[in-house]
Amino acid sequence: NAGVTQTPKFRVLKTGQSMTLLCAQDMNHEYMYWYRQDPGMGLRLIHYSVGEGTTAKGEVPDGYNVSRLKKQNFLLGLESAAPSQTSVYFCASISASAKNIQYFGAGTRLSVL
Amino acid sequence: GQQVMQIPQYQHVQEGEDFTTYCNSSTTLSNIQWYKQRPGGHPVFLIQLVKSGEVKKQKRLTFQFGEAKKNSSLHITATQTTDVGTYFCAGPGLLFGNEKLTFGTGTRLTIIP
Repeated sequence: NAGVTQTPKFRVLKTGQSMTLLCAQDMNHEYMYWYRQDPGMGLRLIHYSVGEGTTAKGEVPDGYNVSRLKKQNFLLGLESAAPSQTSVYFCASISASAKNIQYFGAGTRLSVL
Repeated sequence: GQQVMQIPQYQHVQEGEDFTTYCNSSTTLSNIQWYKQRPGGHPVFLIQLVKSGEVKKQKRLTFQFGEAKKNSSLHITATQTTDVGTYFCAGPGLLFGNEKLTFGTGTRLTIIP
């Protein structure tokens, strides 16, 4: 049981490049989330999904897109990366029946030059 | 929107001293959760408080939920080097439903051996 797995772990992009971050969970959780973490700012919600085929905007959605084609996967896309998107990205998931406890992946460290 | 503030932002203590972090929400919370993030790691769930005035203990850690359900605290007695990390509170607002958490800004604890 791997829990929540994020790939890649590290990535360096040039401004304007695109990339997709993958989050996979094997716990059959209904809800999945993408956060970004910047120094001194805690965790900020980018997008989230309450089920397969559904997504919703969080606190800081601009510049990102997401898709949840399969229940176990939640993809975060950057169409045209900007230096302001340099951050650590965390994926999390919860079970609707488990008191909303969030299980986090190990994170993806992204640098945009 | 809902805001969750934590103080202090940083805390340096001598090993063996006590440590407390405070969490304040701008809105009433249906429950509050606490997470710990080790340096370079990802947030890990510690505990959830649900009832007004609730107090829970985990070994040297004591968690409290305020009577008005808008504030919470985490107290660590006799800190050890293993306590190093950033502690986050998080809560769903009554308006947004339990599927979205708003994380506090975190308190980073460092221990001086």
